[in-house]
Amino acid sequence: ETGVTQSPTHLIKTRGQQVTLRCSSQSGHNTVSWYQQALGQGPQFIFQYYREEENGRGNFPPRFSGLQFPNYSSELNVNALELDDSALYLCASREIGSGITGELFFGEGSRLTVL
Amino acid sequence: AQSVAQPEDQVNVAEGNPLTVKCTYSVSGNPYLFWYVQYPNRGLQFLLKYITGDNLVKGSYGFEAEFNKSQTSFHLKKPSALVSDSALYFCAVRDKAWAAGNKLTFGGGTRVLVKP
Repeated sequence: ETGVTQSPTHLIKTRGQQVTLRCSSQSGHNTVSWYQQALGQGPQFIFQYYREEENGRGNFPPRFSGLQFPNYSSELNVNALELDDSALYLCASREIGSGITGELFFGEGSRLTVL
Repeated sequence: AQSVAQPEDQVNVAEGNPLTVKCTYSVSGNPYLFWYVQYPNRGLQFLLKYITGDNLVKGSYGFEAEFNKSQTSFHLKKPSALVSDSALYFCAVRDKAWAAGNKLTFGGGTRVLVKP
């Protein structure tokens, strides 16, 4: 049990639609990041948020966006869905006081299928 | 740019035998290395990490990993595998240039199958 919960667990969308995925982190975990895990691959970093601002992004286009809220929850939004967006989306959080050596705590993910 | 390689897609081992999952890395400077495990349809669970100090790191569920700087490796080991260890294992390195420290670069994963 990592204390990181994600919703929904599964969802199906069609190409061109928009999706919002949600994450609730542990109290005190004030930095959150999102990863995309395509089938058969390792997770890839999308972006991270600290104090409700994006402060780092991986190699993902602007149609991937996010929000972080003061209550340790966050959202990942994906616009104009493409077939290749089908993946497991993982939220991960960390207590900022743990420093750069602290491990990430992952949720169980939201599996998105784009048809 | 940093990278992680897991050269084996799958490792098969009999229950009770030693288990090794290989990982090599490429980073500038000293690495921060992690192992995570993923069970079917689940998220990632933290196993252990190497930050500094002793090259042999002990983690959860009886796993340990050996850091070898000269070989740029961080292999995961378990002396006696259990059927319940069957899962997908990921090695990862943290980008120290990121102030908030949440960017991990993962290997492609190694599927471990422990047979009774």
